[in-house]
Parts: sequence; structure tokens; C-alpha cells
Amino acid sequence: KNQVEQSPQSLIILEGKNCTLQCNYTVSPFSNLRWYKQDTGRGPVSLTIMTFSENTKSNGRYTATLDADTKQSSLHITASQLSDSASYICVVSDRGSTLGRLYFGRGTQLTVWP
Amino acid sequence: EADIYQTPRYLVIGTGKKITLECSQTMGHDKMYWYQQDPGMELHLIHYSYGVNSTEKGDLSSESTVSRIRTEHFPLTLESARPSHTSQYLCASSVSGEKTEAFFGQGTRLTVV
Repeated sequence: KNQVEQSPQSLIILEGKNCTLQCNYTVSPFSNLRWYKQDTGRGPVSLTIMTFSENTKSNGRYTATLDADTKQSSLHITASQLSDSASYICVVSDRGSTLGRLYFGRGTQLTVWP
Repeated sequence: EADIYQTPRYLVIGTGKKITLECSQTMGHDKMYWYQQDPGMELHLIHYSYGVNSTEKGDLSSESTVSRIRTEHFPLTLESARPSHTSQYLCASSVSGEKTEAFFGQGTRLTVV
């Protein structure tokens, strides 16, 4: 069964600190992995997308890594800001169907305190 | 900023009513999706479309129906709303291709009383 597991489920950090969120997946055959940020009550917004051949991708203070061999990804947030408080969702796409089905993790709820 | 719009943002409706959730995108994307998301849970695919006149059911069983008469429009209809339909509904669109993004609307928060 294709699955995406994220950890931790929730995380609280102080403003200015760094943090790393984890994503493990079993989706096969793998096409790409995306990290989304979802503010409460809003739709997800894409942060990064990586294919099999890419092992790191940055978007400002967000840096995602991918190890396609171990099927693990991480999202590192540097110098956190209050506006980083949101749910961060790992999404893996398969190449086994014409749809390119998206498999969603449950997200990590990040809270940044002043 | 993604050009995909959902209306209404919030809806409170009585049991048994018929409702239609609207989703429109102006990016010319061929693929469109409807997801259902409960608080703190992952998104579940309930319907998708490859293009005009193409619709398929997703992974999560749903009593809703969809139509795709125009590329830019993908409405979702509930013929008879029930309290179990209370949830957040997210619409998304993308183009075909390995590295294309899926753009999401802001969502419709539906409450059936």
C-alpha cells in the first residue's frame, strides 16, 4: 500500500531557531516528492518539488532533501519566523498511472513562538 | 499566486439540501481534482478529471458528483447534504508532466447541520 508518513506530528519552536521535518514514503514507482505549506483554513501552497535525480532543493529559508534509495525526505527551516506557523505536508506522486496520483502525509503542525 | 478559485469559502447548510461547490482555474490546466480534508488529517482524493468530459472517482468513497463541461470549471455537487459531509473541500489543478505543480484553491469549509 502506498503511504506517506511524517514526523513529528507537531512541533513548537522559538522564533529564530531552525527545525527539520521528516517524511518517509513507500510510494512506488516514484515520480516526485513535494513539500507544501498549509495555513489553517487555506489551501496548500507548494514549497519545493524534487524528482528522483534531485537530492536537494531550496526555496528561501526552506531546504528539502531527498534520499530516493531509503525513501526519505526532510524539510529544513532556517531562522524560523512567526509566519512559518502552519502545517507542512509531504506529497509523493507515483508514475504508475496516467493521473500521477498524489499521496499525502498527514502533515507536521509547526508552531513558532515569539 | 495560483489562479484557482473556490466558492463559497464557508457554507452552513441544512440536512437534505442540494449544494454545489464551485472551482475555477484560469491557467488552462487539463487536470483537476477534488480533495476532502478533515482537521489534522491528510487530503483524500474524491474526484478527478483529465480534461473536458472526463471524470473519475478517487480513493475516498463520496456521495458527491462532478462535471467537466469546460476546461476551467470543475463543480462538485451534493444532491442531499448530510452531517457526515461536514468537512473541508479542496480543489486543485495541474498540467500533465512529471515535475508539474498542483495548485490548490483556498478551500470550502462545509458544515451540514
